[in-house]
Amino acid sequence: LAKTTQPISMDSYEGQEVNITCSHNNIATNDYITWYQQFPSQGPRFIIQGYKTKVTNEVASLFIPADRKSSTLSLPRVSLSDTAVYYCLVGQRETNAGKSTFGDGTTLTVKP
Amino acid sequence: EAQVTQNPRYLITVTGKKLTVTCSQNMNHEYMSWYRQDPGLGLRQIYYSMNVEVTDKGDVPEGYKVSRKEKRNFPLILESPSPNQTSLYFCASTPLGGSNQPQHFGDGTRLSIL
Repeated sequence: LAKTTQPISMDSYEGQEVNITCSHNNIATNDYITWYQQFPSQGPRFIIQGYKTKVTNEVASLFIPADRKSSTLSLPRVSLSDTAVYYCLVGQRETNAGKSTFGDGTTLTVKP
Repeated sequence: EAQVTQNPRYLITVTGKKLTVTCSQNMNHEYMSWYRQDPGLGLRQIYYSMNVEVTDKGDVPEGYKVSRKEKRNFPLILESPSPNQTSLYFCASTPLGGSNQPQHFGDGTRLSIL
């Protein structure tokens, strides 16, 4: 499984766009990139998943450059309720469900 | 409602007293996993199961056992709990072949071993 590196923490203000980058230099050809959000004392919640280029859903966008050695989770116009820990996970869709190694995550703090 | 259910949600017990944390999912998922989460250490996988009677070790399996006799259930067993197993535990499930929502997590079980 590819090791991932994320910033430990980030601060932002309400209404701003937040970009969290994850490095995964050893990503394999079949690996997907998945992001999760976790609030205190709750289980992680799936946000978005992608393989290459750009993926967008109702809550976030995921940008993946051509070399796929990094990815950026973009949260548009954050609110206080987006304060959470964000995890980047890299692995094959099926092995994501088996052996999984979460990184340390990025603690995002949104201020009023 | 699709969900992963863990029980108990909270437990305080003593060293050496065997305990079982149950996990059940109603989504007919093939894969199930157990994680523990400790401050500063993120989520670490304990065991995972790819289907009935198929289990394998994660990153921190020592001191734990699991079984998968039925597809929907994946209990975590601590035969002789020790204080270093005090942690927040999460169970997760996901379907075979992946999906746009790879892992569904339970609400967690907070264990305190005195």
